[in-house]
Amino acid sequence: DAKTTQPTSMDCAEGRAANLPCNHSTISGNEYVYWYRQIHSQGPQYIIHGLKNNETNEMASLIITEDRKSSTLILPHATLRDTAVYYCIVRAQTGANNLFFGTGTRLTVIP
Amino acid sequence: DTEVTQTPKHLVMGMTNKKSLKCEQHMGHRAMYWYKQKAKKPPELMFVYSYEKLSINESVPSRFSPECPNSSLLNLHLHALQPEDSALYLCASSQVLGLEDEQYFGPGTRLTVT
Repeated sequence: DAKTTQPTSMDCAEGRAANLPCNHSTISGNEYVYWYRQIHSQGPQYIIHGLKNNETNEMASLIITEDRKSSTLILPHATLRDTAVYYCIVRAQTGANNLFFGTGTRLTVIP
Repeated sequence: DTEVTQTPKHLVMGMTNKKSLKCEQHMGHRAMYWYKQKAKKPPELMFVYSYEKLSINESVPSRFSPECPNSSLLNLHLHALQPEDSALYLCASSQVLGLEDEQYFGPGTRLTVT
C-alpha cells in the first residue's frame, strides 16, 4: 500500500522551477524516498532517490526535511517535455525491490 | 544499453485465445518485474523474478503465467483472459533484489481483451 500523499495535479510555467511536494509521515528509518515519472503512453522513468540528505542529479534535486516526513522534488527549469505524472515512492533499503506506486501528481508545464 | 524492450506494443485477443508478452533486457540485471496498469491508475506489481526464479506473486490469477527462461528474457503467458484484464502491461528490471538501485521500465504492451 502507498505510504505517500501527493497533490493530484499541478501546473508550472515553462522555464520556471517545478516544486513537487510529497508527504511520507510514516516513513521508517531504513526507507528511501524514490521519485519516478511517467510520460503519457510510456513506462515509468527513474528520476532520483535519497535517504536523509538532499540529492541532485542531472534531472532534478530532492530535498528531504530533517524529520524525513516530507520531501520536495525540484525540476529547476521545467520544459514541455517534463509534463508527466510524478510518483513519490517510499521503499525499504533491503528486501524486495518492488515499488508501490501511489496516485502521483500530474504536472502540466504550460508554455 | 539501458533499454528494456517489450513486444508486442499492442495486442488484441479474445477471451479464448492464448498469447504471450515478451520482455528483454541486456543490462545484466538479475531481477525482473511485471506490472499491470489500468487506465488513469498507477502501475501495480504482479510478479518479481530474481535470478530466474519467481520471488513474488502478488496474488495474480492463474490465467497469467510468468516465465523467465534466462536472465535476459521475461515472458507473460496469457490464457482465458477477461475484458477487465485489458490494461498496459509493463516490464521492468533492476540489478538485483535488495539494493537501492533503480528499476528500468519498458514502454509496455497495451492489451485489449474482447
